[in-house]
Amino acid sequence: RKEVEQDPGPFNVPEGATVAFNCTYSNSASQSFFWYRQDCRKEPKLLMSVYSSGNEDGRFTAQLNRASQYISLLIRDSKLSDSATYLCVVNTGNQFYFGTGTSLTVIP
Amino acid sequence: EAGVVQSPRYKIIEKKQPVAFWCNPISGHNTLYWYLQNLGQGPELLIRYENEEAVDDSQLPKDRFSAERLKGVDSTLKIQPAELGDSAVYLCASSRLAEGELFFGEGSRLTVL
Repeated sequence: RKEVEQDPGPFNVPEGATVAFNCTYSNSASQSFFWYRQDCRKEPKLLMSVYSSGNEDGRFTAQLNRASQYISLLIRDSKLSDSATYLCVVNTGNQFYFGTGTSLTVIP
Repeated sequence: EAGVVQSPRYKIIEKKQPVAFWCNPISGHNTLYWYLQNLGQGPELLIRYENEEAVDDSQLPKDRFSAERLKGVDSTLKIQPAELGDSAVYLCASSRLAEGELFFGEGSRLTVL
């Protein structure tokens, strides 16, 4: 079983739409959680950390459910520039585990 | 502040040839990672260094892959001999702390013919 599982998509949504991504992780002792963004043929970059209380950064909201071991990312009012692959990342204290990524295309 | 620097950006070689990738992490970042990323997949850890010590190399195919981080700064990842299945992007990342934010280089894209 993979440490982190994500729906690979692709998600194709119109501009202005709200889209949500989920991922699940297998190690209940995981300590920290992140969403990374990766543009085509570019390196991953941190989008936001995910905290137990949930956190928001502009149009982006991240949630963590430790009991169910899943992490979510909500993007409101999608922009064309949001088109990318979103990687769910879990840290167990000594190693980062990456999901396969969810591909998002925002359509004009 | 300069980011993580990798070279070469692209490398095309024939199978059974050797290849080496170089990484210069962000200044002051003690933890350095080498990841392999295949198309449509997330990065997978090859090796992690804390300063000059390789603290996790369990996923490194040691029959053909080797890595070093002399003086705890720059690192080199080598493949010898390369196989067709080694075609991928090799990403170097660094962080100030083992659990801190990862900063990635642009990657080295390897094609083995």
